[in-house]
Amino acid sequence: EPEVTQTPSHQVTQMGQEVILRCVPISNHLYFYWYRQILGQKVEFLVSFYNNEISEKSEIFDDQFSVERPDGSNFTLKIRSTKLEDSAMYFCASSPEYQETQYFGPGTRLLVL
Amino acid sequence: AQRVTQPEKLLSVFKGAPVELKCNYSYSGSPELFWYVQYSRQRLQLLLRHISRESIKGFTADLNKGETSFHLKKPFAQEEDSAMYYCALSGASDTGRRALTFGSGTRLQVQP
Repeated sequence: EPEVTQTPSHQVTQMGQEVILRCVPISNHLYFYWYRQILGQKVEFLVSFYNNEISEKSEIFDDQFSVERPDGSNFTLKIRSTKLEDSAMYFCASSPEYQETQYFGPGTRLLVL
Repeated sequence: AQRVTQPEKLLSVFKGAPVELKCNYSYSGSPELFWYVQYSRQRLQLLLRHISRESIKGFTADLNKGETSFHLKKPFAQEEDSAMYYCALSGASDTGRRALTFGSGTRLQVQP
């Protein structure tokens, strides 16, 4: 059964550094999402993406964040200048149609020191 | 603002006992409600959604718009049901808002 994959599984970075989190959505899916979960807190929506455009974003998704689909398979989340409070588990999800089920990846655990 | 509340952080039951995981929501409109489950060391996966009105792994959930609740129920818990359960909502499909708002989750422990 096809699954969403994410790399790396863990990343440690220094405050102020740029990080890129990578996701490979399920191949025939058209809608892509990023969520994050700070330790001990709720899973929070960051952004959704369709047809090479952002379709929804939350207040968390400020100018330090960006998303891109650089090729036909990858979907990336870039954090330009990481802060301590960006430490979290970041989940990618995809869905075949807008109203269909979102399928989640295993997550990338980001630790900012 | 939309919100999902799961009042119990931990629910511990014995095998064979009934289970009810509570979920209340606030949303101005007609939301879609979901239950996601995360087994140990596995990814979040959809358990069920209210519009499909189906039973998965013996679990059911009924949307009660009057009480703004979407409680998850199973008549006889199994040890393999032990996991983290998240209630979530999104806007209805005609709203264009598909971002999921999650509750804080309830850990279900089923003891032998």
